[in-house]
Amino acid sequence: AQKVTQAQTEISVVEKEDVTLDCVYETRDTTYYLFWYKQPPSGELVFLIRRNSFDEQNEISGRYSWNFQKSTSSFNFTITASQVVDSAVYFCALRDYGGATNKLIFGTGTLLAVQP
Amino acid sequence: DAGVIQSPRHEVTEMGQEVTLRCKPISGHDYLFWYRQTMMRGLELLIYFNNNVPIDDSGMPEDRFSAKMPNASFSTLKIQPSEPRDSAVYFCASSFNDRETQYFGPGTRLLVL
Repeated sequence: AQKVTQAQTEISVVEKEDVTLDCVYETRDTTYYLFWYKQPPSGELVFLIRRNSFDEQNEISGRYSWNFQKSTSSFNFTITASQVVDSAVYFCALRDYGGATNKLIFGTGTLLAVQP
Repeated sequence: DAGVIQSPRHEVTEMGQEVTLRCKPISGHDYLFWYRQTMMRGLELLIYFNNNVPIDDSGMPEDRFSAKMPNASFSTLKIQPSEPRDSAVYFCASSFNDRETQYFGPGTRLLVL
């Protein structure tokens, strides 16, 4: 069965601090996709990144970076020099590559509060 | 390019009333998904369509829920009759194919009194 675990329910940091959001996944598939979405207080779900299981290269986009490690089944997300606008709920999600369903399996989300 | 469009953004209704949620996917996307978000259950897939055809509706909670996609640019999710436990945020998402990223609409916040 597929499962995504985001053990950190809430994280509070002060602006300019670095913060890492953890994501651990379980799947029996050898090929799969991993995603991060952001849900700001306004409520929409904003796509941040997609990685496939063949590509373990870390990715950096501005202040955001992602560390994908198949050996530990983790796909962690780091925000460098956090800002108040980063305050949101962040969801990690998993989808298998060629399964019978296109269901995204979401974690329970991590609420990040960045204090000024 | 416009993203996924949902209407209404907010809906307040009384128990027993019919509720219809609407979605316009991103142009050219062949897959459309309906998700529900609640505090208790998080984000869960209700149903998805491929080329306007329902493929998997195993997540639809019960017969009170129905979804249609009459054409490539429009889908509805209907609840009849509505109950207070249906209160949630309902998201529509679309993707170009079954392996591409799902892009979400702004959601409809439904409150059933």
